[in-house]
Amino acid sequence: GNSVTQMEGPVTLSEEAFLTINCTYTATGYPSLFWYVQYPGEGLQLLLKATKADDKGSNKGFEATYRKETTSFHLEKGSVQVSDSAVYFCCNAGNNRKLIWGLGTSLAVNP
Amino acid sequence: GAGVSQTPSNKVTEKGKYVELRCDPISGHTALYWYRQSLGQGPEFLIYFQGTGAADDSGLPNDRFFAVRPEGSVSTLKIQRTERGDSAVYLCASSLGQQRTDTQYFGPGTRLTVL
Repeated sequence: GNSVTQMEGPVTLSEEAFLTINCTYTATGYPSLFWYVQYPGEGLQLLLKATKADDKGSNKGFEATYRKETTSFHLEKGSVQVSDSAVYFCCNAGNNRKLIWGLGTSLAVNP
Repeated sequence: GAGVSQTPSNKVTEKGKYVELRCDPISGHTALYWYRQSLGQGPEFLIYFQGTGAADDSGLPNDRFFAVRPEGSVSTLKIQRTERGDSAVYLCASSLGQQRTDTQYFGPGTRLTVL
């Protein structure tokens, strides 16, 4: 079945540092891949997605590329801000549409 | 526009009691999903509706859990004979339902505590 493994947190960075949160997946067929974010006190919201191999999803300065050969979908941002402090979830969806989630990675950005 | 809403936001109950959790999806979304999230974990799929019918209920943990969506809009998740292990945040999401790649939009969740 489908699964997702993402980098354990917490991750603590200084403002303007480079961010990478690793995510790898297993799946049958060709899943869609997503990053969701949960800001403190708020609900889950989609950050970006990619639906086929080599697609790059991007939003708010974050990027992730669907790498079929390495079964990865790593999240990156060149310069993080304090407002990026949140929990980030990687997930995949197969033909059955249900999202399979990683455990989440907590990010704290210090000024 | 209005997002996904869930009521109540918090529910405290005693072991053995029955609870109902409600979800109002985004208007026009035909697909509706229930997940639950335990502390420190990612959400775990429970059930998915397309219209009024349950298209996939493979995530329901046992027969104490049941969900309905009688008119293809509002959904209710019902838990009988609650146990302490049912304590979690129950999340509802909806999507357009036209393609498997459609974005799922989440509600704020209902925090269930079973004493």
